[in-house]
Amino acid sequence: RKEVEQDPGPFNVPEGATVAFNCTYSNSASQSFFWYRQDCRKEPKLLMSVYSSGNEDGRFTAQLNRASQYISLLIRDSKLSDSATYLCAVESYNTDKLIFGTGTRLQVFP
Amino acid sequence: ETGVTQSPTHLIKTRGQQVTLRCSSQSGHNTVSWYQQALGQGPQFIFQYYREEENGRGNFPPRFSGLQFPNYSSELNVNALELDDSALYLCASSAAPGNYNEQFFGPGTRLTVL
Repeated sequence: RKEVEQDPGPFNVPEGATVAFNCTYSNSASQSFFWYRQDCRKEPKLLMSVYSSGNEDGRFTAQLNRASQYISLLIRDSKLSDSATYLCAVESYNTDKLIFGTGTRLQVFP
Repeated sequence: ETGVTQSPTHLIKTRGQQVTLRCSSQSGHNTVSWYQQALGQGPQFIFQYYREEENGRGNFPPRFSGLQFPNYSSELNVNALELDDSALYLCASSAAPGNYNEQFFGPGTRLTVL
């Protein structure tokens, strides 16, 4: 089993839709969780850190479910500019290693 | 724009050759991590350098080696290139190991091995 798993998609949604991605992780001792956005042929950019209490940044909401070992990203009112690959990342326990999922591709259409 | 730069942007090599990729960290950052991202995959951790010492390594063979200089810039060297080494190589700098909230990626070097 991979340490971090994501549905690769693609998720094709119309503008204005709400879309949610999940990411599961296998190491229950993992402490830090992140969502990154990666545009085609560009570097990943940190979108949000994910905290136990959940966090929201505008149209984006990230949540952590430790019991089921997954993190989620919710995007409300999707924009064309949200089209990208969304990568989840988990800090491997007691190391300084960041483990990424394969990414979920989102395509927002008019 | 982050202050992390990488060179070259693109590179084509043949099997068996050796390659050196370079990364300049953002000002004030002393930690550089290297990742390999194959097509359709997420970045995979290769290793990290902190204050010129290796500080953790992923599941990559010894022909992947690195170096960090006193100014905290870094090099990734790959010997005996294989076709599967074709990928986007990303470096990321941060102010300290584990400080992922302040980790920034460079634009990457796209390596093609023929």
